Amino acid sequence: DAGVIQSPRHEVTEMGQEVTLRCKPISGHDYLFWYRQTMMRGLELLIYFNNNVPIDDSGMPEDRFSAKMPNASFSTLKIQPSEPRDSAVYFCASRFGRQGFDEPQHFGDGTRLSIL
Amino acid sequence: DQQVKQNSPSLSVQEGRISILNCDYTNSMFDYFLWYKKYPAEGPTFLISISSIKDKNEDGRFTVFLNKSAKHLSLHIVPSQPGDSAVYFCAASDLRGGADGLTFGKGTHLIIQP
Repeated sequence: DAGVIQSPRHEVTEMGQEVTLRCKPISGHDYLFWYRQTMMRGLELLIYFNNNVPIDDSGMPEDRFSAKMPNASFSTLKIQPSEPRDSAVYFCASRFGRQGFDEPQHFGDGTRLSIL
Repeated sequence: DQQVKQNSPSLSVQEGRISILNCDYTNSMFDYFLWYKKYPAEGPTFLISISSIKDKNEDGRFTVFLNKSAKHLSLHIVPSQPGDSAVYFCAASDLRGGADGLTFGKGTHLIIQP
């Protein structure tokens, strides 16, 4: 069974550069979530989509962050321009939203982002 | 303000004994609670969940208890095994309210001693 696939696994770039993180959700899942993990704040929700439509982006820290889901099998999280404080592990998760049933989210292995 | 709190950053338990991990929450709208296990350099792996209409859910060696009046849940692992050594995250969401994102605690690092 293919799980949630994230790429790249590691990204090191210089401040000011554009960064694009990619996620392929589990086939058939209609919810997709982006989270960020830092030492200070732990795991926090950035944005999530339902049927490719952004539902809640209140966790996106600044306008430098943007996320898209052009189709059911692909999503991107973009940071432009990047800053050192954006260094973190970024996780993507997906979930099957069955009406009346509680379904867990399944996570990818994350992208470790370092901004120098 | 932390809506989900795991007050023990680490816990050491002897192999074969029971491990009890605790979690407290403040948002009374939370209706779905989950435990995730995380190894280094991997994503969180779903372990077990419980809906707010229940007070207990079991799956093999893992049992989650929910006390709504105290806004407290706990994860019991029995017997504990070396492979259980990992960071455990408690998470919650308000599914009925349409807030599908998870709010996580900071995690508890469980160490199983041989």
